[in-house]
Amino acid sequence: EAQVTQNPRYLITVTGKKLTVTCSQNMNHEYMSWYRQDPGLGLRQIYYSMNVEVTDKGDVPEGYKVSRKEKRNFPLILESPSPNQTSLYFCASSKYDPGLAGETYEQYFGPGTRLTVT
Amino acid sequence: GESVGLHLPTLSVQEGDNSIINCAYSNSASDYFIWYKQESGKGPQFIIDIRSNMDKRQGQRVTVLLNKTVKHLSLQIAATQPGDSAVYFCAENMAGTASKLTFGTGTRLQVTL
Repeated sequence: EAQVTQNPRYLITVTGKKLTVTCSQNMNHEYMSWYRQDPGLGLRQIYYSMNVEVTDKGDVPEGYKVSRKEKRNFPLILESPSPNQTSLYFCASSKYDPGLAGETYEQYFGPGTRLTVT
Repeated sequence: GESVGLHLPTLSVQEGDNSIINCAYSNSASDYFIWYKQESGKGPQFIIDIRSNMDKRQGQRVTVLLNKTVKHLSLQIAATQPGDSAVYFCAENMAGTASKLTFGTGTRLQVTL
């Protein structure tokens, strides 16, 4: 089954304790992204990756790191979590499709990780 | 389920009626637009997309309309069903920015019986 998986699904941690949220996709997609979702703000992109070893900042990258050592995995790292990083996090992957009429990016989202930083 | 939109605009529609969900996008340079559906406790799910060289695209029970002049996007759902109840997001992408999507804040669709 084609899917994006995230772990853990729920995490409660304390300020300053480093954590990693894993993301894996089995569709051989080139593109992967991380988003955070907060009430009233919709989804905001944190980081994205166009392929192995190619990553770039999204709209809200502060306080986060990512790596893309393998095509299928795109972990999100919080070196020193703070309470304002309490949020719902989604990983997404998409296939690059040049298409006849232009590029399209149908993104597949993971189930989400609810992070609480106290 | 997860409460991701405590103060979202809400559209209430009776089962069987047509729904129209609107979205104003911000960047006149955006050339690719997507509608997503998010059910409670789940990640967003792709519904339909449209490029800026089109003004209408149809899928199964859904139609997306694009008005570039006023930077407006709409999603029409025909014969709305209870399973259509969800939060709907539009997203825009600017040419040359790969998978960098900017999402709207969403609209909650409630289908009444």
